Amino acid sequence: EVQLWESGGGLVQPGGSLRLSCAASGFTFSGYAMSWVRQVPGKGLEWVSIISGSGETYYADSVKGRFTISRDNSRKTLYLQMNSLRAEDTALYYCARDQIFYYYMDVWGKGTTVTVSS
Amino acid sequence: QSVLTQSPSMSGAPGQRVTISCTGDSSNIGAGHDVQWYQQLPGKAPKLLIHGNTNRPSGVPDRFSGSKSGTSASLAITGLQAEDEADYYCQSYDSSLSGSRVFGGGTKLIVL
Repeated sequence: EVQLWESGGGLVQPGGSLRLSCAASGFTFSGYAMSWVRQVPGKGLEWVSIISGSGETYYADSVKGRFTISRDNSRKTLYLQMNSLRAEDTALYYCARDQIFYYYMDVWGKGTTVTVSS
Repeated sequence: QSVLTQSPSMSGAPGQRVTISCTGDSSNIGAGHDVQWYQQLPGKAPKLLIHGNTNRPSGVPDRFSGSKSGTSASLAITGLQAEDEADYYCQSYDSSLSGSRVFGGGTKLIVL
């Protein structure tokens, strides 16, 4: 069974840093692009970043320069390093398997919550 | 606000047919990029419902169907059931935003 499991969320002060992880199982992790998508409680979905199987990365303008996506194919794990965090980054963060050539996400994790507050 | 536009909410009675619309522009849907639909049940992660405008992943009932025309797309649900009460999001790709997958703001479907 294809599964994604996020971890690393928590409470952090404005200006602080946090690293999210997403463990994958049930598929050939290195063969797929992976995305992060976030959702403010009660609001809609916002795509955050994508990394291809070979490591090419893209970011939403709202996080560019502050967030870094990376992956460890040997550990089948996706990461999101979040620096200079702001209150508006407070959200539930999902990792998702991305069908990069077709621009959609076909498998989603359950999410991990990030709260930026003093 | 979201790049793609959806009505915030709609409702229907069990057994009815409802259609959820999604409007974009010449940088996304109108540029020929495919539209996807996701269903988000209360307290759950999004689930892929339709990809490539009209394609259902394995396990998605054929009561759900998608279509696309010009700068808009639609998700139709026939034989509405109580379990269909959820938030529905459309998603596409935007050529003007590097790497960017874009979403609609979501439509909350209420089954009366």
